[in-house]
Amino acid sequence: GENVEQHPSTLSVQEGDSAVIKCTYSDSASNYFPWYKQELGKRPQLIIDIRSNVGEKKDQRIAVTLNKTAKHFSLHITETQPEDSAVYFCAASIVGADGLTFGKGTHLIIQP
Amino acid sequence: DVKVTQSSRYLVKRTGEKVFLECVQDMDHENMFWYRQDPGLGLRLIYFSYDVKMKEKGDIPEGYSVSREKKERFSLILESASTNQTSMYLCASTTAGTSSYEQYFGPGTRLTVT
Repeated sequence: GENVEQHPSTLSVQEGDSAVIKCTYSDSASNYFPWYKQELGKRPQLIIDIRSNVGEKKDQRIAVTLNKTAKHFSLHITETQPEDSAVYFCAASIVGADGLTFGKGTHLIIQP
Repeated sequence: DVKVTQSSRYLVKRTGEKVFLECVQDMDHENMFWYRQDPGLGLRLIYFSYDVKMKEKGDIPEGYSVSREKKERFSLILESASTNQTSMYLCASTTAGTSSYEQYFGPGTRLTVT
Protein backbone atom coordinates (compact mmCIF):
# COMPACT_ATOMS: atom_id res chain seq x y z
CA GLY A 1 0.00 0.00 0.00
CA GLU A 2 0.85 3.68 -0.08
CA ASN A 3 3.28 5.17 2.43
CA VAL A 4 3.59 8.94 2.99
CA GLU A 5 6.52 10.46 4.85
CA GLN A 6 6.26 14.07 6.09
CA HIS A 7 9.00 16.41 7.36
CA PRO A 8 9.64 18.19 9.60
CA SER A 9 7.45 17.13 12.50
CA THR A 10 7.75 20.60 14.05
CA LEU A 11 8.55 23.87 12.28
CA SER A 12 8.99 27.20 13.99
CA VAL A 13 9.25 30.36 11.87
CA GLN A 14 9.16 34.09 12.50
CA GLU A 15 5.98 35.90 11.55
CA GLY A 16 6.32 37.17 8.00
CA ASP A 17 8.83 34.50 6.96
CA SER A 18 8.09 31.55 4.69
CA ALA A 19 7.42 27.96 5.75
CA VAL A 20 7.99 24.81 3.70
CA ILE A 21 6.72 21.34 4.54
CA LYS A 22 7.82 18.35 2.49
CA CYS A 23 6.24 14.96 1.80
CA THR A 24 7.27 11.88 -0.15
CA TYR A 25 5.02 9.05 -1.31
CA SER A 26 5.76 5.51 -2.39
CA ASP A 27 3.01 4.46 -4.83
CA SER A 28 3.58 5.85 -8.33
CA ALA A 29 -0.13 5.24 -9.07
CA SER A 30 -1.18 7.95 -6.60
CA ASN A 31 -2.64 10.90 -8.47
CA TYR A 32 -4.21 13.20 -5.89
CA PHE A 33 -2.32 15.11 -3.17
CA PRO A 34 -4.25 17.27 -0.69
CA TRP A 35 -3.02 19.31 2.25
CA TYR A 36 -5.16 19.64 5.38
CA LYS A 37 -4.86 22.14 8.22
CA GLN A 38 -6.02 21.19 11.69
CA GLU A 39 -6.28 23.80 14.40
CA LEU A 40 -6.30 22.69 18.01
CA GLY A 41 -9.55 20.92 18.89
CA LYS A 42 -10.97 21.29 15.40
CA ARG A 43 -11.54 19.05 12.42
CA PRO A 44 -9.04 18.87 9.51
CA GLN A 45 -9.89 21.22 6.66
CA LEU A 46 -8.58 21.18 3.11
CA ILE A 47 -6.39 24.17 2.28
CA ILE A 48 -5.06 23.20 -1.13
CA ASP A 49 -4.77 20.13 -3.33
CA ILE A 50 -3.02 19.13 -6.53
CA ARG A 51 -3.59 16.43 -9.11
CA SER A 52 -0.80 14.54 -10.81
CA ASN A 53 -1.26 16.28 -14.16
CA VAL A 54 -0.20 19.61 -12.62
CA GLY A 55 3.25 20.59 -11.31
CA GLU A 56 2.31 23.59 -9.19
CA LYS A 57 -0.77 25.28 -7.80
CA LYS A 58 -1.11 28.56 -5.91
CA ASP A 59 -3.83 30.11 -3.82
CA GLN A 60 -2.86 33.49 -2.40
CA ARG A 61 -0.10 32.83 0.21
CA ILE A 62 -0.22 29.06 -0.20
CA ALA A 63 1.34 26.96 -2.95
CA VAL A 64 1.92 23.29 -3.55
CA THR A 65 4.53 21.78 -5.86
CA LEU A 66 4.63 18.21 -7.14
CA ASN A 67 7.55 16.25 -8.56
CA LYS A 68 6.15 12.97 -9.90
CA THR A 69 9.52 11.62 -10.92
CA ALA A 70 10.95 11.99 -7.43
CA LYS A 71 7.59 11.21 -5.81
CA HIS A 72 7.57 14.23 -3.55
CA PHE A 73 5.38 17.25 -3.01
CA SER A 74 5.71 20.34 -0.84
CA LEU A 75 3.57 22.99 0.81
CA HIS A 76 4.83 26.57 0.74
CA ILE A 77 3.33 29.29 2.93
CA THR A 78 4.62 32.82 2.39
CA GLU A 79 4.28 35.86 4.66
CA THR A 80 3.25 33.68 7.58
CA GLN A 81 0.73 35.03 10.06
CA PRO A 82 -0.22 33.96 13.62
CA GLU A 83 -3.39 32.27 12.31
CA ASP A 84 -1.21 29.93 10.25
CA SER A 85 -0.20 28.18 13.48
CA ALA A 86 -1.70 24.67 13.29
CA VAL A 87 -0.89 21.08 12.42
CA TYR A 88 -0.61 20.45 8.68
CA PHE A 89 -1.10 17.04 7.08
CA CYS A 90 -0.18 15.96 3.60
CA ALA A 91 -1.93 13.00 1.99
CA ALA A 92 -1.94 10.92 -1.16
CA SER A 93 -4.49 8.74 -2.88
CA ILE A 94 -5.54 7.06 -6.10
CA VAL A 95 -8.72 8.89 -6.95
CA GLY A 96 -11.73 6.65 -7.08
CA ALA A 97 -9.87 3.66 -5.66
CA ASP A 98 -9.47 4.22 -1.93
CA GLY A 99 -9.20 6.67 0.93
CA LEU A 100 -6.38 9.03 1.79
CA THR A 101 -3.02 7.97 3.19
CA PHE A 102 -1.80 10.75 5.48
CA GLY A 103 1.61 11.85 6.62
CA LYS A 104 2.16 12.11 10.36
CA GLY A 105 1.74 15.85 10.44
CA THR A 106 3.81 19.02 10.93
CA HIS A 107 3.20 21.33 13.86
CA LEU A 108 3.78 24.82 12.47
CA ILE A 109 4.51 27.49 15.06
CA ILE A 110 4.54 31.14 14.04
CA GLN A 111 6.71 33.18 16.39
CA PRO A 112 5.61 36.84 16.84
CA ASP B 1 -22.42 24.07 3.12
CA VAL B 2 -21.36 20.49 3.72
CA LYS B 3 -22.20 19.19 7.13
CA VAL B 4 -20.77 16.01 8.61
CA THR B 5 -21.90 15.19 12.13
CA GLN B 6 -20.89 12.51 14.57
CA SER B 7 -23.10 11.14 17.30
CA SER B 8 -20.82 11.91 20.26
CA ARG B 9 -17.87 14.24 20.92
CA TYR B 10 -16.69 12.22 23.91
CA LEU B 11 -17.32 8.60 24.83
CA VAL B 12 -16.05 6.44 27.68
CA LYS B 13 -16.49 2.67 27.44
CA ARG B 14 -15.31 -0.38 29.30
CA THR B 15 -13.04 -3.07 27.89
CA GLY B 16 -15.10 -5.73 26.11
CA GLU B 17 -18.09 -3.51 25.41
CA LYS B 18 -19.57 -3.22 21.93
CA VAL B 19 -19.29 0.37 20.76
CA PHE B 20 -21.15 2.14 17.97
CA LEU B 21 -19.93 5.40 16.44
CA GLU B 22 -22.35 7.10 14.08
CA CYS B 23 -21.67 9.52 11.26
CA VAL B 24 -24.20 11.42 9.17
CA GLN B 25 -23.64 13.69 6.16
CA ASP B 26 -26.20 15.91 4.52
CA MET B 27 -24.67 16.46 1.06
CA ASP B 28 -25.75 13.25 -0.65
CA HIS B 29 -22.11 12.12 -0.85
CA GLU B 30 -21.52 8.63 -2.17
CA ASN B 31 -18.20 8.01 -0.41
CA MET B 32 -17.72 7.85 3.34
CA PHE B 33 -14.65 7.08 5.44
CA TRP B 34 -13.60 6.32 9.01
CA TYR B 35 -10.15 7.35 10.27
CA ARG B 36 -8.51 7.25 13.63
CA GLN B 37 -6.11 9.96 14.73
CA ASP B 38 -3.36 9.37 17.27
CA PRO B 39 -0.61 11.79 18.35
CA GLY B 40 2.48 11.40 16.20
CA LEU B 41 0.76 8.94 13.85
CA GLY B 42 -1.48 11.22 11.81
CA LEU B 43 -4.78 9.93 10.47
CA ARG B 44 -5.10 6.28 9.52
CA LEU B 45 -7.87 4.82 7.39
CA ILE B 46 -9.97 2.12 9.06
CA TYR B 47 -12.80 1.45 6.57
CA PHE B 48 -14.55 3.20 3.72
CA SER B 49 -17.70 2.80 1.68
CA TYR B 50 -18.60 3.79 -1.87
CA ASP B 51 -22.28 2.98 -1.68
CA VAL B 52 -25.02 1.65 0.52
CA LYS B 53 -24.21 -1.82 1.85
CA MET B 54 -20.71 -1.65 0.38
CA LYS B 55 -17.54 -1.53 2.46
CA GLU B 56 -13.81 -1.74 1.89
CA LYS B 57 -11.01 -2.32 4.39
CA GLY B 58 -8.55 0.46 4.92
CA ASP B 59 -5.09 0.22 6.42
CA ILE B 60 -6.06 -0.77 10.00
CA PRO B 61 -9.40 -2.65 9.95
CA GLU B 62 -8.58 -5.19 12.66
CA GLY B 63 -11.00 -5.00 15.59
CA TYR B 64 -13.49 -2.85 13.68
CA SER B 65 -16.48 -3.34 11.42
CA VAL B 66 -18.79 -0.92 9.63
CA SER B 67 -22.36 -0.64 8.48
CA ARG B 68 -23.92 1.50 5.78
CA GLU B 69 -27.64 0.88 5.49
CA LYS B 70 -28.49 4.39 4.24
CA LYS B 71 -26.54 6.68 1.96
CA GLU B 72 -26.19 9.46 4.52
CA ARG B 73 -25.16 7.29 7.47
CA PHE B 74 -21.95 5.33 8.10
CA SER B 75 -21.42 3.50 11.37
CA LEU B 76 -18.19 2.25 12.90
CA ILE B 77 -18.49 -0.71 15.27
CA LEU B 78 -15.97 -1.88 17.81
CA GLU B 79 -17.08 -5.46 18.44
CA SER B 80 -15.20 -5.79 21.74
CA ALA B 81 -13.50 -2.58 22.78
CA SER B 82 -9.91 -2.74 23.95
CA THR B 83 -7.67 -0.11 25.56
CA ASN B 84 -5.56 0.20 22.39
CA GLN B 85 -8.66 1.51 20.63
CA THR B 86 -8.61 4.63 22.78
CA SER B 87 -8.30 7.33 20.14
CA MET B 88 -9.93 10.19 18.23
CA TYR B 89 -12.23 8.85 15.51
CA LEU B 90 -12.96 11.02 12.49
CA CYS B 91 -15.58 10.42 9.84
CA ALA B 92 -15.33 11.99 6.38
CA SER B 93 -17.34 12.09 3.19
CA THR B 94 -16.82 13.09 -0.43
CA THR B 95 -18.68 13.07 -3.69
CA ALA B 96 -18.00 10.43 -6.31
CA GLY B 97 -17.86 13.08 -9.02
CA THR B 98 -14.69 14.37 -10.65
CA SER B 99 -15.18 18.07 -9.92
CA SER B 100 -13.78 17.82 -6.41
CA TYR B 101 -12.08 15.15 -4.37
CA GLU B 102 -12.18 17.09 -1.12
CA GLN B 103 -13.01 15.00 1.93
CA TYR B 104 -15.15 16.80 4.49
CA PHE B 105 -14.53 15.77 8.07
CA GLY B 106 -16.82 15.50 11.05
CA PRO B 107 -15.86 17.03 14.43
CA GLY B 108 -14.52 13.72 15.75
CA THR B 109 -15.38 11.40 18.63
CA ARG B 110 -12.81 11.04 21.37
CA LEU B 111 -13.19 7.49 22.64
CA THR B 112 -11.63 6.33 25.88
CA VAL B 113 -11.67 2.62 26.69
CA THR B 114 -10.94 1.79 30.33
